[in-house]
This record gives sequence, C-alpha cells and structure tokens, in this order.
Amino acid sequence: EAGVAQSPRYKIIEKRQSVAFWCNPISGHATLYWYQQILGQGPKLLIQFQNNGVVDDSQLPKDRFSAERLKGVDSTLKIQPAKLEDSAVYLCASSFSGGASYNEQFFGPGTRLTVL
Amino acid sequence: KQEVTQIPAALSVPEGENLVLNCSFTDSAIYNLQWFRQDPGKGLTSLLLIQSSQREQTSGRLNASLDKSSGRSTLYIAASQPGDSATYLCAVWTYNTDKLIFGTGTRLQVFP
Repeated sequence: EAGVAQSPRYKIIEKRQSVAFWCNPISGHATLYWYQQILGQGPKLLIQFQNNGVVDDSQLPKDRFSAERLKGVDSTLKIQPAKLEDSAVYLCASSFSGGASYNEQFFGPGTRLTVL
Repeated sequence: KQEVTQIPAALSVPEGENLVLNCSFTDSAIYNLQWFRQDPGKGLTSLLLIQSSQREQTSGRLNASLDKSSGRSTLYIAASQPGDSATYLCAVWTYNTDKLIFGTGTRLQVFP
C-alpha cells in the first residue's frame, strides 16, 4: 500500500513570496490533515478535511494560509505572503475517517520550508 | 486546554542501555495516546497506540504504559541500538479538542 505522498520535499523562498505544498493521501482515506512543525516543537494541526469539506481550521492563519481539497483526494496548502516565522516542516497525514472515533493517522515525509 | 510535556528533551546513551522516555498530559479525558518516531527529514512513524482503557502496549523491544489518572505515559526501550536514534513524540487524542495534541519530543542518540 502506497503511503502519503508530499511534494516538494524542500523549499527555500524569500519573505513575502508565495509557496504551495501538495499532498496525496493514502487511497480510500477520507480524512486529511495538515500539520506545521516548527524546529524543536511537536506538530500542530493547521487544518483537517473530511472528504472535500473543512472540519477544523481553527489554528490556520487565514490571513496568509489557505488550503483546499478539491474532489476529496489531493490537497494543496498555500502560504501568501510568507513570513520568516513560517519556516517549518509541513506534514500531511491521512486517516480512514476522522471525528471522535479516532482512526490512526499516517504521515507523509513532510516539506521543509525555509523563509529567508 | 490539553498540554503535553516530554522529558527529557534530549538523551545520549551507549548502545545496550535500557531507556525510559516520559510523557505527561494535563487533561485526562483522552481517547488514546500514541508514541511516534521521527527520523531526520522524514515523517512520523507510529510505534505504539494505547487506548484509554488499556494500561500498556508492547512491540518488540518497545513497551509503552499509560496511567490516565495521573496523566502520564512512559516508553521503555530495551537494549538500545544505534538504529534507535531518532526523535520520539507522544501525542494524545482528547475528547474535548477532538484532535491529536503532540508533545515537544525527546531527541535520542544511541552511540556504539
């Protein structure tokens, strides 16, 4: 079974530029998560999708971050414009289904973003 | 608000030692607790998942215990090997937040 795929693996940009990350979840997984992991910290949930609908985006900085999951499969996370403090690893995860009945999340390799 | 703390933040030990990594959480209303391993440049790999009704889980040289009432979990690694070098994260799924809350991790180095 193929795992969660993410691209690019690394990205270096200057502040105020825009950047986009792509995630392809495990086939059949209805729930998709985007996490931000700043160096030395644990991952923090940015947004959770159930199929193509947003379940939780309470910690997404909506003035600069946006995410979509068209057709309920692949997802894109965008930052525009980027700030220095956005330097982090962005992890995508998927699970069979979400909600209070927890289903194990499977994580992709992440995209390491450096903002100069 | 659920807060997850891991001690120590970093650990360096010689090969063969038995290790204990600690995780504590402030809200005991958890659905489960999970231990992950993270290698540099890679994503998270799930090691053990303990449901709130369970006391421990074992996989090979790894054993994780859960004391929900005191808000603590330990990950025991027996006979450590250099290949165990990685960052270990614990995370809890809390009823109140309905999301996975991670600790800050323990960075482990096992030298030959």
